[in-house]
Amino acid sequence: DQQVKQNSPSLSVQEGRISILNCDYTNSMFDYFLWYKKYPAEGPTFLISISSIKDKNEDGRFTVFLNKSAKHLSLHIVPSQPGDSAVYFCAASEASARQLTFGSGTQLTVLP
Amino acid sequence: KAGVTQTPRYLIKTRGQQVTLSCSPISGHRSVSWYQQTPGQGLQFLFEYFSETQRNKGNFPGRFSGRQFSNSRSEMNVSTLELGDSALYLCASSFGAGRSVSPLHFGNGTRLTVT
Repeated sequence: DQQVKQNSPSLSVQEGRISILNCDYTNSMFDYFLWYKKYPAEGPTFLISISSIKDKNEDGRFTVFLNKSAKHLSLHIVPSQPGDSAVYFCAASEASARQLTFGSGTQLTVLP
Repeated sequence: KAGVTQTPRYLIKTRGQQVTLSCSPISGHRSVSWYQQTPGQGLQFLFEYFSETQRNKGNFPGRFSGRQFSNSRSEMNVSTLELGDSALYLCASSFGAGRSVSPLHFGNGTRLTVT
């Protein structure tokens, strides 16, 4: 049973435009959410996180939004750059657990 | 500051053999976690160690085991290898104290192929 779902396997965006990656979760005990970026042959790189007490967190070009009632989070990248082309994973954890549950990933391609 | 280092990068083993993978965390990080990445199952949690103690374990058979040393370095072992164990094995480290999960910092992984 997939507790964290990324329903779009791929997304293509023009350079300079906004990229919006979506993630849904089913476990209401999740209280901490993260986004990771992964290039081929490398490990995932942490991008940004958000605690369930917030609904938005920004870091430069990256903003994560959390809608707890809908059990939905999204990552906005503005403006998108070709170097952002990678697989993006969302992940979640419960306060009492010491592990991350990952979504299946979305391949973002930013076209020049 | 050096990142998480995993060795070896690539391994080829045959069914029935065993394998040991190594991970050196970021200096100062005391928690080490292991994840398996496969095309079909995505990234799945194996186990987490903190101060040489396993704090959490994922849903994997007992053939998968690990340990952590006093310098926080960690190893994972897979015995009696099966074809389905072919995967990218990722190690991640974090401070591990306080808040149950702080952002994990991943190594580049060990690509294990079982033939």
